[in-house]
Amino acid sequence: EVQLVESGGTWVQPGGSLKLSCEGSGFSFSRYWMAWVRQAPGKGLEWVANIKYDGSDRYYVDSVRGRFTVSRDNGKNSLYLEMNSLRVEDTAVYYCARGFLDSWGQGTLVTVSS
Amino acid sequence: DVVMTQSPVSLPVSLGQPASISCGSSDSLENSDGNTYLSWFQQRPGQSPRRLIYKVSNRDSGVPDRFSGSGSGTDFTLKISRVEAEDVAVYYCMQSTHWPRTFGQGTKVEIK
Repeated sequence: EVQLVESGGTWVQPGGSLKLSCEGSGFSFSRYWMAWVRQAPGKGLEWVANIKYDGSDRYYVDSVRGRFTVSRDNGKNSLYLEMNSLRVEDTAVYYCARGFLDSWGQGTLVTVSS
Repeated sequence: DVVMTQSPVSLPVSLGQPASISCGSSDSLENSDGNTYLSWFQQRPGQSPRRLIYKVSNRDSGVPDRFSGSGSGTDFTLKISRVEAEDVAVYYCMQSTHWPRTFGQGTKVEIK
């Protein structure tokens, strides 16, 4: 069974930094592109970033490019999202998802507030 | 960016009745590889999203056959042949042909 488990979400002040993690199991992690998708409270889904199976290609939504960095460690079956210069509007549940979003984690809440 | 537009925003449906959600894209979603990367997701209250349909019309494993997807180019539809209580959810379309990936704003299906 495919499982994705996110962690690292917490409260942080505007301008702060945070690193999210997502551990995958039940599939060959190193063979899949991975993605981060977020959902602000009461709002819809927003794609954030993708990373190729070997980490050689990365894509970002414009609103996070230059502030967020997606990375992975295939030896640890793990996906990461490093978030810097956080803004109030980054407040959301952050989901990791496999490939073309065929499997999702349970999400981790990031709250950016003073 | 490709804008995805869903309608309606809210869809009250009686149990056992059909439901249909439309999704339009601002650019064609046909990829150079010949595939059209349009997916549908279901998000039940308090749950993570779940993919139902990929590449326009392919149902994911475990998805009931009352769900079907159709369309091409810029116009797509998700149909539920007979709505059940467990189908109460927000439904999103998403394109994965172009960067950045983009979602529709969602359609809330509720029981009338």
